[in-house]
Amino acid sequence: GAGVSQTPSNKVTEKGKYVELRCDPISGHTALYWYRQSLGQGPEFLIYFQGTGAADDSGLPNDRFFAVRPEGSVSTLKIQRTERGDSAVYLCASSLGGGGASTQYFGPGTRLTVL
Amino acid sequence: AQSVTQPDIHITVSEGASLELRCNYSYGATPYLFWYVQSPGQGLQLLLKYFSGDTLVQGIKGFEAEFKRSQSSFNLRKPSVHWSDAAEYFCAVGAQLGSNYKLTFGKGTLLTVNP
Repeated sequence: GAGVSQTPSNKVTEKGKYVELRCDPISGHTALYWYRQSLGQGPEFLIYFQGTGAADDSGLPNDRFFAVRPEGSVSTLKIQRTERGDSAVYLCASSLGGGGASTQYFGPGTRLTVL
Repeated sequence: AQSVTQPDIHITVSEGASLELRCNYSYGATPYLFWYVQSPGQGLQLLLKYFSGDTLVQGIKGFEAEFKRSQSSFNLRKPSVHWSDAAEYFCAVGAQLGSNYKLTFGKGTLLTVNP
């Protein structure tokens, strides 16, 4: 079956602009996660959705970052007033349920470059 | 808070040689432990996971890992490396706090395989 998909695969924007990154999870997966991977680092947790609600958004770095999942499937990560430091690969993962017993399956990521 | 240390940033081995990638974690309870592999331009692929039970776990592509509670380690091994194993490897620990759950990754070990 289809895996996690993310669009766009690459996004180049200018400092101060607004961007949206999209994640399509595996069908039927109720849990969805966003991570950010900077160059030379491992992925860092941003936010976790269980269904439509954000169960844990403790990893969002500041209020310029926001994510939604209105129908419990597709999720959008929104970044306002982008800064050069936001440049990274943004990874999305989904799992059948929340919690450690459910394996997270990752998408290919969106590479965001802020000029 | 949980943390993961991968002491080796870069390892080079010859094809056919054995491999061991080190991972140490910090977590107050019994952890969920994972190894993921990331090839250039690809998403993270799960190699294996440990939740409980037998401390030696088998994964895909001939990899195995051993959980050693006394050493807080979860090292990844492969008896004979293939050129296609060249990639970046990430160890991760999963932590559950109430209904919230997140993965914390190490910084990764880049594996180069010489012919």
